[in-house]
Amino acid sequence: DAKTTQPNSMESNEEEPVHLPCNHSTISGTDYIHWYRQLPSQGPEYVIHGLTSNVNNRMASLAIAEDRKSSTLILHRATLRDAAVYYCILRLFYNQGGKLIFGQGTELSVKP
Amino acid sequence: EAQVTQNPRYLITVTGKKLTVTCSQNMNHEYMSWYRQDPGLGLRQIYYSMNVEVTDKGDVPEGYKVSRKEKRNFPLILESPSPNQTSLYFCASSTTGSYSNQPQHFGDGTRLSIL
Repeated sequence: DAKTTQPNSMESNEEEPVHLPCNHSTISGTDYIHWYRQLPSQGPEYVIHGLTSNVNNRMASLAIAEDRKSSTLILHRATLRDAAVYYCILRLFYNQGGKLIFGQGTELSVKP
Repeated sequence: EAQVTQNPRYLITVTGKKLTVTCSQNMNHEYMSWYRQDPGLGLRQIYYSMNVEVTDKGDVPEGYKVSRKEKRNFPLILESPSPNQTSLYFCASSTTGSYSNQPQHFGDGTRLSIL
């Protein structure tokens, strides 16, 4: 699986947008970009995924660069509940073991 | 409510005393998986199951066993626990784990301490 690079930590103010970057310069054409987050004392939680086009759901938006070498997870209005570690993960469309490879992620803190 | 339930949430035990961590999902998912999370190492897959009676090793299966007799349950068995198995364990499930367009759902974790 290709590697991703994320900042170790980021800070945000409550009710402001947050842009979490992820670099994946070795991404292959069949890699999907997934984002999960892990809140304190909880298991990882799926956030969003995409292949080439930007994606929106009720939790967040995913903006994918045209060359697919980077992507950005956008939280439109951060709340205190969004404080978590955010993981950017690349996955082949078909992966026999279904394994998710979690890197170190970005620890997001949200200030009131 | 759709969920993955793990029990126990916390356990302190001693070396060599067999233990089982249960995992149950109510979403009729075919795929289930176990991970362990350790500081600096991230989450690593222990075992996975594509369907009932079908299990396979992940990256760190040594010292663990699993079974999948029913679709909803996927217990993790430590026959003779050792201190290096002290960790935070997560169970996950998905409609079909092999395809990346299916999100995986995780339990809240089981913290095991083996003395």
